[in-house]
Amino acid sequence: DTGVSQDPRHKITKRGQNVTFRCDPISEHNRLYWYRQTLGQGPEFLTYFQNEAQLEKSRLLSDRFSAERPKGSFSTLEIQRTEQGDSAMYLCASSLGALNTEAFFGQGTRLTVV
Amino acid sequence: GESVGLHLPTLSVQEGDNSIINCAYSNSASDYFIWYKQESGKGPQFIIDIRSNMDKRQGQRVTVLLNKTVKHLSLQIAATQPGDSAVYFCAERGAGNMLTFGGGTRLMVKP
Repeated sequence: DTGVSQDPRHKITKRGQNVTFRCDPISEHNRLYWYRQTLGQGPEFLTYFQNEAQLEKSRLLSDRFSAERPKGSFSTLEIQRTEQGDSAMYLCASSLGALNTEAFFGQGTRLTVV
Repeated sequence: GESVGLHLPTLSVQEGDNSIINCAYSNSASDYFIWYKQESGKGPQFIIDIRSNMDKRQGQRVTVLLNKTVKHLSLQIAATQPGDSAVYFCAERGAGNMLTFGGGTRLMVKP
């Protein structure tokens, strides 16, 4: 257990529905990252926060995706109007920042869109 | 990183032998590299890291080698154990502190 907690662990949803995932990082970590991983591939960067500020977003993050970290602690990732291609593992990671750049990953939320 | 789809490169080794997993990275400006281990159904787990001003770093049973000339990274695992069976990813850090992951190698340890 790395200390990064994600909820839920699994989510099955019908196409077109909205889903929201939550990530609780390690408490003193100011940086929080979201990645997406499909079967047999490495994680792909989606977005990251430093405290409550969203500093970077990947081109993979379509306008159906939105992430928030309102108080600089936990974060949520929402996917609106889900599509079958959104089926993947959504991973959250946190780190202390540039000087301590080791990123710790959570167990992920596996999304299946049917 | 380069996609390998559903068919990950696989390295099969005998328990007790040494393993070497290789990775080619893409960005010559990357300044930090990490090896992660991922077991089925779990998130990636940090193994060892190396900064671009180093060419070798050792941990417990693991060594990472960095060759910036050819943009190549390797992970050596000494005395491989069944618990080492997993998918291994290298990752490089470029601009913005985000990590870019390679396609992964599956390590299978035969008892």
